[in-house]
Amino acid sequence: GENVEQHPSTLSVQEGDSAVIKCTYSDSASNYFPWYKQELGKRPQLIIDIRSNVGEKKDQRIAVTLNKTAKHFSLHITETQPEDSAVYFCAVNGNDYKLSFGAGTTVTVRA
Amino acid sequence: GAVVSQHPSWVICKSGTSVKIECRSLDFQATTMFWYRQFPKQSLMLMATSNEGSKATYEQGVEKDKFLINHASLTLSTLTVTSAHPEDSSFYICSAYSRSGELFFGEGSRLTVL
Repeated sequence: GENVEQHPSTLSVQEGDSAVIKCTYSDSASNYFPWYKQELGKRPQLIIDIRSNVGEKKDQRIAVTLNKTAKHFSLHITETQPEDSAVYFCAVNGNDYKLSFGAGTTVTVRA
Repeated sequence: GAVVSQHPSWVICKSGTSVKIECRSLDFQATTMFWYRQFPKQSLMLMATSNEGSKATYEQGVEKDKFLINHASLTLSTLTVTSAHPEDSSFYICSAYSRSGELFFGEGSRLTVL
């Protein structure tokens, strides 16, 4: 399947600071790039997604940017809060609507 | 929004027994569902694609005779872990695309094989 690399694997930020997670992918035909948040023992929840016809999308404190030429996209969380602490996964679509996931980033927001 | 429900949420079984996990789309029809496996502190790994009315397609390295998938209706897919062993202990999650194109996940089923 699609090769998706996600960095960093862990991220600790002070409350109120910003967090940035980056993902790169290999298949230039991919056109859908969602981000999921997963709390311990729970299902992944979609927090934001972007399609290849746009370069940036924002939803309140969360934004995603996409660089199709370089094949990378990033999640930006501003004004982080303790409830933002979770594992975040990027994903990329491939053939037959399958999603390939990055390895995940454990975000810890320090109060 | 669209809801995908999974049952059971957790199950403990003895080694050598079989376990069935159900995945239902509650307010939409899903001709395709996906089954993922997630080991502790790891990412979601796609196991197979469940297709209504036809055979499932398995990812490389996933044993189709061990992980039986049945998608008998437009709202139900089942995953049966046959002759389960401790190494099969994991978090199994199903997912399906809603009409709007968003991928929804079930609650997940935590399997522990003793």
